[in-house]
Amino acid sequence: SSELTQDPAVSVALGQTVRITCQGDILRTYYASWYQQKPGQAPVLVIYGKNNRPSGIPDRFSGSTSGSTASLTITGAQAEDEADYYCDSRDSSDNPVVFGGGTKLTVL
Amino acid sequence: EVQLVQSGAEVKRSGESLKISCQASGYSFSTYWIGWVRQMPGKGLEWLGIIYPRDSDTRYSPSFQGQVTISADKSITTSYLQWSSLKASDTAMYYCARRKSIVATDAAFDYWGQGTLVTVSS
Repeated sequence: SSELTQDPAVSVALGQTVRITCQGDILRTYYASWYQQKPGQAPVLVIYGKNNRPSGIPDRFSGSTSGSTASLTITGAQAEDEADYYCDSRDSSDNPVVFGGGTKLTVL
Repeated sequence: EVQLVQSGAEVKRSGESLKISCQASGYSFSTYWIGWVRQMPGKGLEWLGIIYPRDSDTRYSPSFQGQVTISADKSITTSYLQWSSLKASDTAMYYCARRKSIVATDAAFDYWGQGTLVTVSS
C-alpha cells in the first residue's frame, strides 16, 4: 500500500472547481508533485513544489499544502482535464520516490 | 528541447532476459537523475528505482530491489532497465523520467519518456 493516499475517483461539473487531495505524513516536510495522465499517454507534470506550474500548464491548475494533505485544485474544469491524477513525494523510510494510488477525475 | 526516447515494445516468454533503454537528449545527462516507473494494465504508477548517471549512484524501491537492474551509459546518454528472468507479472508499461534531485523538498519528474510496453507470456 502507498504511503500517499488519494481518493480513487472524483467528479466535477464542467466549469466548476475541483480539489484532488493527497494525504501522507511526509507531506509535512516535503512537497507533493502532481501528474496528469490521459488514456494511452505518458504522465505529464502539472504542479511541483509550493505551487509551481511547468511551462505550458494552464493557470487553472494550482497546488497547496495544509498539514499532511496536499491538494491539486482545478479552477474552472474543462473537458480536457478529464484524466487520472497522481501525486508523488518521498516516503517515510527515506526512499526518494513514492506515488499515490491515483485519482480518476470525471468532468460531467 | 529535452527528450527521453524509449526503446520499442517487447514480447517475451517467462524466464527470458530483457534490457530496455531510455535515450536522453537536450540537457546535461550526467546532472539529472533518471527514474523508472511501472504501470501494470489498468493500474497506477509504481516507482522501481532511480540512477544518477554522473557516478551511477542507484536507489531501488524495496518492492523491486533484486528484481530489476538499472544502469546508465554516459557516453551515449542512455539509461537501461533490465531483467534476468522475466515473469508474466512483469507485463506492464515502463516509463523513464528525469528528476533534478532526490533530496530537494520540491523534487519532481519533469520530463517523461513515451513508455515501453513489455508483454511476458507464460
